[in-house]
Parts: sequence; structure tokens; C-alpha cells
Amino acid sequence: EVQLLESGGGLVQPGGSLRLSCAASGFTFSSYTMTWVRQTPGKGLEWVSSITSSGGTYYTDSVKGRFSISRDNSKNTLHLQMDSLRDEDTAVYYCAKRSAGSVRYFDYWGQGTLVTVSS
Amino acid sequence: EIVLTQSPGTLSLSPGERATLSCRASQSVSSSSLAWYQQKPGQAPRLLIYGASSRATDIPDRFSGSGSGTDFTLTISRLEPEDFAVYYCQQYVSSPPGYTFGQGTNLQIK
Repeated sequence: EVQLLESGGGLVQPGGSLRLSCAASGFTFSSYTMTWVRQTPGKGLEWVSSITSSGGTYYTDSVKGRFSISRDNSKNTLHLQMDSLRDEDTAVYYCAKRSAGSVRYFDYWGQGTLVTVSS
Repeated sequence: EIVLTQSPGTLSLSPGERATLSCRASQSVSSSSLAWYQQKPGQAPRLLIYGASSRATDIPDRFSGSGSGTDFTLTISRLEPEDFAVYYCQQYVSSPPGYTFGQGTNLQIK
């Protein structure tokens, strides 16, 4: 059974940093592109960042230069380092496994971790 | 940037009725990149449909997807009480690589 378990969320002041983690199990983690998606009440679901099985990284424009996605295949863990946090980064952050092959969708999601950026 | 617009924003129906949800793209997208998700309060999104029309594992056959180009539809043939939720469409673009979600349709009990 595929499981994704996020951790690391919390309250942080604007300009601060936070590191999210996602522990994966039930599939060959190293073989799949992994993704972070966030959700705010006002903006719905928003793709944040993806990392391919070979380590290629992609980011939405609003987090480029501030967020960094990485993976530790030896520990089956995905990370999101978030620096220079802004109020608008407040959201529930989901870790998601992307499908294999050329048909791209998210077939498994974690339960999410809440990040609140506020002074 | 391709924008996905879902309609209606809210749909009020009764159990047993048919639901038709629309997702319109601002420019033509590949059918293989279009997916639908269901989200219930306090839960993560759940994959329903991928490749515009293929049901995900364990999804009941009352859920179906169709469409191509800029217009896609999610149909629930006969609503069950557990189907009342928010539904999102999502697409992938390759240049630059990224994913876009629609703003969601809230399917609520009438």
C-alpha cells in the first residue's frame, strides 16, 4: 500500500524558513517523480515543485529562488526547504506521487501539513 | 500560461441525479494530460480520472470523463451520498514544465 506522510509544518514569521519532509512507502520511491502541491482557501490547489527520478527540479514562478526541493532515495524521503517565507505561502502542503510514463497525473497524495506564515 | 476554468462553481443536486461538471482550458491541451480529482473536507485530493477518460483504480463506473482540445467533462451518472465533494481538473504542460488546477466545482446536496 502506497503511503505518503508529510511533516515539518508549523507557524513561522515572515522571512523565516521551514523544511517539510514526506516519508514514502509501498512503492519504489527512487523510480518516480515526486511533487509538492499546496492549497489555500483563496487560491485552491497550486502546484509548487517537482523532482524527477534523476534529480531534475521544477518550480512554480512564485517560489523560484526561495524554495528548494530534494530527495533522499536511501531514506525514501522527499523534502521542501522553504526560505524567505511570505504571508501568501500560508497553505496546506501536500506531497504527491506522480504517475509513471508520459501520462502525467498525481495518483497518491499525503494527508498534508499546514504551514502558517504570520507575525 | 494555460488557465483551466471550471463550471459551475457550485452545483446543487439530489442523490440519484446526474452531475455534469465542466473544465475549459484557455488553449488546447493534450487529452493525455487532463485529470480529475475529488476532495472531501479535511482530506487530500483523490484521483478519479486520468488521460481525460480513464478511471483510476477502485473508482466506481458511475464516474466518467470525456472531452478533448479545450473542453472536458466529468460526469457522475447517478449521485451517491458520498459523491458530494469538491472536484478539480488538472493539466500538465511541458514548456515550461508544470501543472495547473482548475478552481474547483463544489457539488453539494440539494
